[in-house]
Amino acid sequence: SQQGEEDPQALSIQEGENATMNCSYKTSINNLQWYRQNSGRGLVHLILIRSNEREKHSGRLRVTLDTSKKSSSLLITASRAADTASYFCATDDGEGAQKLVFGQGTRLTINP
Amino acid sequence: NAGVMQNPRHLVRRRGQEARLRCSPMKGHSHVYWYRQLPEEGLKFMVYLQKENIIDESGMPKERFSAEFPKEGPSILRIQQVVRGDSAAYFCASSLDRGVREQYFGPGTRLTVT
Repeated sequence: SQQGEEDPQALSIQEGENATMNCSYKTSINNLQWYRQNSGRGLVHLILIRSNEREKHSGRLRVTLDTSKKSSSLLITASRAADTASYFCATDDGEGAQKLVFGQGTRLTINP
Repeated sequence: NAGVMQNPRHLVRRRGQEARLRCSPMKGHSHVYWYRQLPEEGLKFMVYLQKENIIDESGMPKERFSAEFPKEGPSILRIQQVVRGDSAAYFCASSLDRGVREQYFGPGTRLTVT
């Protein structure tokens, strides 16, 4: 069954604005990761947040994790055209397995 | 340090043929994962391997699909007697050690079955 679900499915904003994407999951997790996928390309790892962390920053990225609500958000500040991509959250399955469970992704379009 | 390498990048097969997808993990990584992505969807886990061992194949279809990661050489995902529904992007990822740490993904192989 689907573990992570991103919201919204698609987001279109103007360059320079902030973009916020949300992810919800169902089971207990050890960590949550965000990935970016440019059209037709592989996934690029953006950030990992552990279950005992509430917030993490990396450059223009800010990730929050609320384990009580089983949700995470990815904020991209001062967006650029190059941020246009699909963004996926991925979690472990909560049972100690090594596999990542991905959501459907949010398609982000930055308009110049 | 080269990233995860996959080849071929694009593969076209007719129904009934075999597809072989190769993945070389990042240097020093001994854990390999295969995922499949259908159009407009997220990635779905298929199989997790370490050198010479299949650790978790819970996401792999029971028939026609197999995977290996030999002592020497790349990991291979093999699909026998391909059908149109096998058309997808297949991604390989590798990680440094046990534990769900960052997995680094290759560029993928796009399989088209005609």
